[in-house]
Amino acid sequence: KQEVTQIPAALSVPEGENLVLNCSFTDSAIYNLQWFRQDPGKGLTSLLLIQSSQREQTSGRLNASLDKSSGRSTLYIAASQPGDSATYLCAVRFGLIFGQGTELSVKP
Amino acid sequence: DVKVTQSSRYLVKRTGEKVFLECVQDMDHENMFWYRQDPGLGLRLIYFSYDVKMKEKGDIPEGYSVSREKKERFSLILESASTNQTSMYLCASRTTEHNSPLHFGNGTRLTVT
Repeated sequence: KQEVTQIPAALSVPEGENLVLNCSFTDSAIYNLQWFRQDPGKGLTSLLLIQSSQREQTSGRLNASLDKSSGRSTLYIAASQPGDSATYLCAVRFGLIFGQGTELSVKP
Repeated sequence: DVKVTQSSRYLVKRTGEKVFLECVQDMDHENMFWYRQDPGLGLRLIYFSYDVKMKEKGDIPEGYSVSREKKERFSLILESASTNQTSMYLCASRTTEHNSPLHFGNGTRLTVT
């Protein structure tokens, strides 16, 4: 059964730091992997989508990579800002299975 | 921009009531999804629909049903609300294309007393 894990559950960093968020999956049949951001009490906003045949996607200060052989995706955030504070979630198989998210806090 | 609209932002219902949560998308998406989100448990899939009048059970369908009579609308029904159904409910949609991302509504915070 496919399981998606995001560790750590929470992360606090000072402003300006580059950081990496992790998403692990147990079955390489992911079809695609999507990263989301969620602000408190709100819905999810799509950040990046990587198809299973791709290795990475970039959007602004965000870069998502995918390594199916190791069952891992990372979301790299460059030069973090307080406005990046949110919960970040990953999902596989067209959104059928989600990780539990990493709550990011960027301190000024 | 794709818009997914959930009819209520906050809802308070009594135990035993029949509850309807409505979701409408404006981009002619074939696939629609209902999730609930609870602290410590993350997002869990309740039901999804590949197209009009089609429905598939997700991981936690018990106590819920759905209706998809029109392509743009996907309704989640709590037949007899219980306190353990107090949660944030999120609706999402996408096309059938492989590179189509999921788009979410803003969620409905349901409290059952």
